[in-house]
Amino acid sequence: ERVMTQSPATLSVSLGEGATLSCKASENINSNLAWYQQKPGQAPRLLIYGAFTRATGIPDRFSASGSGTEFTLTISSLQSEDVGIYYCQQYSYWPPSRTFGQGTRVDIK
Amino acid sequence: QVQLQESGPGLVKPSETLSLTCTVSGASLTSGRYYWSWIRQPAGEGLEWIGRVFTNGSSDLNASLKSRVTLSIETSKNQFSLRLTSVTAADTAIYYCARDRVVAGYFDYWGQGALVTVSS
Repeated sequence: ERVMTQSPATLSVSLGEGATLSCKASENINSNLAWYQQKPGQAPRLLIYGAFTRATGIPDRFSASGSGTEFTLTISSLQSEDVGIYYCQQYSYWPPSRTFGQGTRVDIK
Repeated sequence: QVQLQESGPGLVKPSETLSLTCTVSGASLTSGRYYWSWIRQPAGEGLEWIGRVFTNGSSDLNASLKSRVTLSIETSKNQFSLRLTSVTAADTAIYYCARDRVVAGYFDYWGQGALVTVSS
């Protein structure tokens, strides 16, 4: 089973500052990676798919990069509404599986 | 706009069967462009994919739950369902239904989630 490892577990960032989140896959997943944001009491929201493509309506302060086994999500200028937990997720075609990382909590310093 | 809504009992006794239904609006379950997935999240923990069902009723399941999970789809009602047998306290979680693209594997629409507690 592909294992996704996110770091750090918690990231405290000042408003307006940048934040960089990491996600590593246990084996090559090419660009089959998505990022989600989850706010308390809400379902996750898709931010990024295909490793770097923003989903509809996602602000351009969110950007992502990577391929293979190492991926990064960057928030260029943290806003108060960005507080939450961010998950990466790999998707493989065969055998079909979807695996999430354990999440990175982003809060305001 | 695509919307998904989970429904079902919020309390299930140990060793019994958890059953949930997801009703979809704004998209047809007869479309061959999507799978329909279940994902769960224990309180304060991360996300676990349970499995997905296709319009023809075929399904793919997480190996760790495969022996206890059945997924089904009822296109006439635009609903799909989850059955999880022999539940224990470890199955207590928020259960989400979500849309999963056939040509990719990310979840673009999610239900709000249904809390299911396993307790006697």
